[in-house]
Amino acid sequence: GAGVSQSPSNKVTEKGKDVELRCDPISGHTALYWYRQSLGQGLEFLIYFQGNSAPDKSGLPSDRFSAERTGGSVSTLTIQRTQQEDSAVYLCASSLEGVHEQYFGPGTRLTVT
Amino acid sequence: GENVEQHPSTLSVQEGDSAVIKCTYSDSASNYFPWYKQELGKRPQLIIDIRSNVGEKKDQRIAVTLNKTAKHFSLHITETQPEDSAVYFCAASGSYQLTFGKGTKLSVIP
Repeated sequence: GAGVSQSPSNKVTEKGKDVELRCDPISGHTALYWYRQSLGQGLEFLIYFQGNSAPDKSGLPSDRFSAERTGGSVSTLTIQRTQQEDSAVYLCASSLEGVHEQYFGPGTRLTVT
Repeated sequence: GENVEQHPSTLSVQEGDSAVIKCTYSDSASNYFPWYKQELGKRPQLIIDIRSNVGEKKDQRIAVTLNKTAKHFSLHITETQPEDSAVYFCAASGSYQLTFGKGTKLSVIP
C-alpha cells in the first residue's frame, strides 16, 4: 500500500516568513510523529499525535512551531517567522496504535535564506 | 530523558567483511530498539528491531544484540555488499517517542 507522503519535498523561504509542511500518514495508522533532521545529525523528536488524545508537544523547540492533525489523518507542521537555524529536513512518521514500528515519509527539506 | 550514544560515526569496510555498530542508552525503562538505514536523500527505512525481552535477533545478513544490564545494543552486518553503504541510525524507546543516535556512515569498498 501507499507509504507516508509529505509535501512539499523542498521549500526555500526567506527569513521571517511562515511555512506549512504537510504529512499524509499510512491509511489506518492512528499515531503520527514529526522529527527534524539537521545536517549530519540524528533525528530530533518534535511532536506526537495519537488518535483524539492531546498531542505530546514536548519536543517543539520554540513557540514559533505548531502542529495540528485534522480528522485523525493529515497533519500540518507550521513554523512562524522562520529563522536560518530552522533549516533542516522535517520528517513525518506514522504507526499503528500500540505498535512501536514507525514508518517514515520522504521528508521536506526546508531552507531559510 | 533518554540519551543514545552511537559509535563509530564513520566506518569503512571491504566488501565481504563484517560491520559492527554500537549504541548505548541511558533510560532503563526503554524497551524497544530499532535500527534504521538511510541512503543519501532518501527516507529512513526500518531494517531490524529488538525488544527488551529478547537478547538477539537475526534477519539474513543482519543481526542485532541487546545487553539490558549494560544498556547497550549492537548492529552486525555480515558479508557486506556495496548496497549496504548508507547511514545507519539506532534508536531507543520506552513508550512511543524514539530517541536516535547521531548515525554511522558505513562505506563498503568494492
